[in-house]
Amino acid sequence: QSVVTQPPSASGTPGQRVTISCSGSSSNIGSNSVNWYQQLPGTAPKLLIYDNSQRPSGVPDRFSGSKSGTSASLAISGLQSEDEADYYCAAWHDSLNGVVFGGGTKLTVL
Amino acid sequence: EVQLVESGGGLVQPGGSLRLSCAASGFTFSSHWMHWVRQAPGKGLVWVSRINIDGSTTYYADSVKGRLTISRDNAKNTLYLQMNSLRAEDTAVYYCARAVVTTRNALDIWGQGTMVTVSS
Repeated sequence: QSVVTQPPSASGTPGQRVTISCSGSSSNIGSNSVNWYQQLPGTAPKLLIYDNSQRPSGVPDRFSGSKSGTSASLAISGLQSEDEADYYCAAWHDSLNGVVFGGGTKLTVL
Repeated sequence: EVQLVESGGGLVQPGGSLRLSCAASGFTFSSHWMHWVRQAPGKGLVWVSRINIDGSTTYYADSVKGRLTISRDNAKNTLYLQMNSLRAEDTAVYYCARAVVTTRNALDIWGQGTMVTVSS
């Protein structure tokens, strides 16, 4: 069981806005930056959001991230079929001295 | 082209050893913290280890501490993961990943992964 919790699944229709939550504690999200990754089937993960809300070059502005206290969220607007993937949040955990990943959220575009 | 290419995976018996390599190209390897992350078949991402830019500081997940060792050779632009006393639960795809130069933990470049199977 992950110390950072994500819903196992989410869904939306094309064009819709969906959000994926990530809940942690004062030892991880509460005191460190959150990063989000997208993993398409059969491929390596891709960095989507870093430092809570920063987008790497090349990531569409349809993707946005936010953090409040010990929780974070990833929002995807204008949902597209190619967004169907697994999404993971991650943060440094102070007492574990390591990175903790959420369990992942499988996004289905209906 | 910026890329990471892993090698060294394979089938190994429980208690055995493997050494994974990750060859970096297209960027200044010595400027980036580096990580290993693994993913068991059908499961989520699990962080394994992290190393600082000169190799002097390392961090490990509790599940691998004392059995896996991360290291790097900046002259060869290569990251390593020495895996000893392997267990069935170590079976996974192992990814090496680069941290964004201004961070230590945001992983912006990933290798294609190398499969490690621990089985008799």
